[in-house]
Amino acid sequence: NAGVTQTPKFRILKIGQSMTLQCAQDMNHNYMYWYRQDPGMGLKLIYYSVGAGITDKGEVPNGYNVSRSTTEDFPLRLELAAPSQTSVYFCASSYSVAGVSSGNTIYFGEGSWLTVV
Amino acid sequence: GIQVEQSPPDLILQEGANSTLRCNFSDSVNNLQWFHQNPWGQLINLFYIPSGTKQNGRLSATTVATERYSLLYISSSQTTDSGVYFCAVEFKGNQFYFGTGTSLTVIP
Repeated sequence: NAGVTQTPKFRILKIGQSMTLQCAQDMNHNYMYWYRQDPGMGLKLIYYSVGAGITDKGEVPNGYNVSRSTTEDFPLRLELAAPSQTSVYFCASSYSVAGVSSGNTIYFGEGSWLTVV
Repeated sequence: GIQVEQSPPDLILQEGANSTLRCNFSDSVNNLQWFHQNPWGQLINLFYIPSGTKQNGRLSATTVATERYSLLYISSSQTTDSGVYFCAVEFKGNQFYFGTGTSLTVIP
């Protein structure tokens, strides 16, 4: 059972480049999330998805895009990378029934360290 | 949006000491969880505790939802307890908001 898998683990981007962070989960969770964590700070929600084909913005969505074509995968796209997007990115997943919190635990991937220079 | 504040921001303990970490939140929430982020960045779920008290070994947590706070107790601390402790609250339909964390260092 792999849980939540993120790739790549480390990446250096030049300003203006684009890239996609991949996230996959094998727990059949319907909810998936992308967070970013800046040094010494807590996690900020970028985007989340409640199921295949449905995504919504979190606290800090600007400069990012997501898609959810399958239950398992939730890639995060960075367009025109900027130094402000240097951060650690965490993908997470959980299971919920009909939007009602059912004690669902969030499971996190191991993080992707991104530097924009 | 909802505000989640944690205290203290930093804590240094001698091995074997006890500690209490606090999480205050500004609105009613459906879900509250405590996480430990180890020095390698990995996030581990410690407790799901929207109300009441739970215990798991040397760790326990209490949430008083009506007063909008939660406490995490660490007893007989060990060096492996070092890291950052976050609380996260679920607000408005599975959007989890994280506090700024408490950085704990346990020295031998």
